[in-house]
Amino acid sequence: DSGVTQTPKHLITATGQRVTLRCSPRSGDLSVYWYQQSLDQGLQFLIQYYNGEERAKGNILERFSAQQFPDLHSELNLSSLELGDSALYFCASSVRGVTYNEQFFGPGTRLTVL
Amino acid sequence: DAKTTQPNSMESNEEEPVHLPCNHSTISGTDYIHWYRQLPSQGPEYVIHGLTSNVNNRMASLAIAEDRKSSTLILHRATLRDAAVYYCILRDEWGGGADGLTFGKGTHLIIQP
Repeated sequence: DSGVTQTPKHLITATGQRVTLRCSPRSGDLSVYWYQQSLDQGLQFLIQYYNGEERAKGNILERFSAQQFPDLHSELNLSSLELGDSALYFCASSVRGVTYNEQFFGPGTRLTVL
Repeated sequence: DAKTTQPNSMESNEEEPVHLPCNHSTISGTDYIHWYRQLPSQGPEYVIHGLTSNVNNRMASLAIAEDRKSSTLILHRATLRDAAVYYCILRDEWGGGADGLTFGKGTHLIIQP
């Protein structure tokens, strides 16, 4: 158990809909990362937050957005969903978000878009 | 981040040592070498990281070539639970961690009982 929790575990929805994925980092971790894992693209970094502020963006689509709240939990919002958005979404956290800090990954949310 | 090259898959027997290679010929002086693994149906898991010297922890050892253009993750006594995809990732020290991990395809390690 990494100490990172993600809800829900599974999510099934239809094209065009909007969903919110939630992540609670390990106690004391200030940095939260979101990743997407699909069969064709592999594991891709989406976005990072540090202590409530956006720190870095990766391959995140404009239809996707995220935020980190004062209690440090984070939410990833996916809108206008397409079939290709079906994937595993992982959240990870680290202490300070510096290079040598290890990232702790949650169990993931499996999103299926029908 | 600089690119890494790993074999697509490797096979080993249970209770034997496993050496997982990674080539990173374009590594810069400030790149840390990180290894993560992903067990089936789980999120990635940190294994080990190093900069220049060899490193040991409870999970594995990391051997770094003198010129740092390659490294080897060593599992001293593989168990069935070590069957996973292993990723070798370079991270720039001066990046401040202000970016995510760049995962390649990794090495799929198969452990035979």
